[in-house]
Amino acid sequence: GIQVEQSPPDLILQEGANSTLRCNFSDSVNNLQWFHQNPWGQLINLFYIPSGTKQNGRLSATTVATERYSLLYISSSQTTDSGVYFCAVLISSGSARQLTFGSGTQLTVLP
Amino acid sequence: EAQVTQNPRYLITVTGKKLTVTCSQNMNHEYMSWYRQDPGLGLRQIYYSMNVEVTDKGDVPEGYKVSRKEKRNFPLILESPSPNQTSLYFCASSLVGGAPLHFGNGTRLTVT
Repeated sequence: GIQVEQSPPDLILQEGANSTLRCNFSDSVNNLQWFHQNPWGQLINLFYIPSGTKQNGRLSATTVATERYSLLYISSSQTTDSGVYFCAVLISSGSARQLTFGSGTQLTVLP
Repeated sequence: EAQVTQNPRYLITVTGKKLTVTCSQNMNHEYMSWYRQDPGLGLRQIYYSMNVEVTDKGDVPEGYKVSRKEKRNFPLILESPSPNQTSLYFCASSLVGGAPLHFGNGTRLTVT
């Protein structure tokens, strides 16, 4: 099956710093999503981004499908950005729609 | 409010005692799915459903059953739970397969 690798596995930042999280995938995918899992365990959809660039406030994401990677940028980080960031890729094959997650980047933002 | 609702939030049970975790969505979504989250392994898909009466296996279906008799509900059934099924479980839905996914708040299951 497809391999999804995220880097770095852990990241500690001072509040106000910028960061880039990376998601590499081993095969062509139909779409890619980024999620944030907050310290209370809730999973929030950040971006649905099969290709191109999207921005939402201090967060933006870029997917280069031909090179099989996606980047999540966090600017001017805040303590509320802490948590785990996951990327997930979807492969559609016939009627199948299987979603595969990376193992996540644990982000800690210090005040 | 548009949401995916899982119940219960916490469940402690014993090996072999059948249990059901319920999942309901009020967004008229066609696609629903179940995941388990274990430390260091991220989220792994258990089963998914493209629509009513259409279900398919994900990466880790062994020991689980699902059914999709109504569009809004997608229960996860553990016929004979074992300790290796102790995990955090999430239900999710999307308008169609491949659309942005919305997650429930999770169910923490402990099997002793």
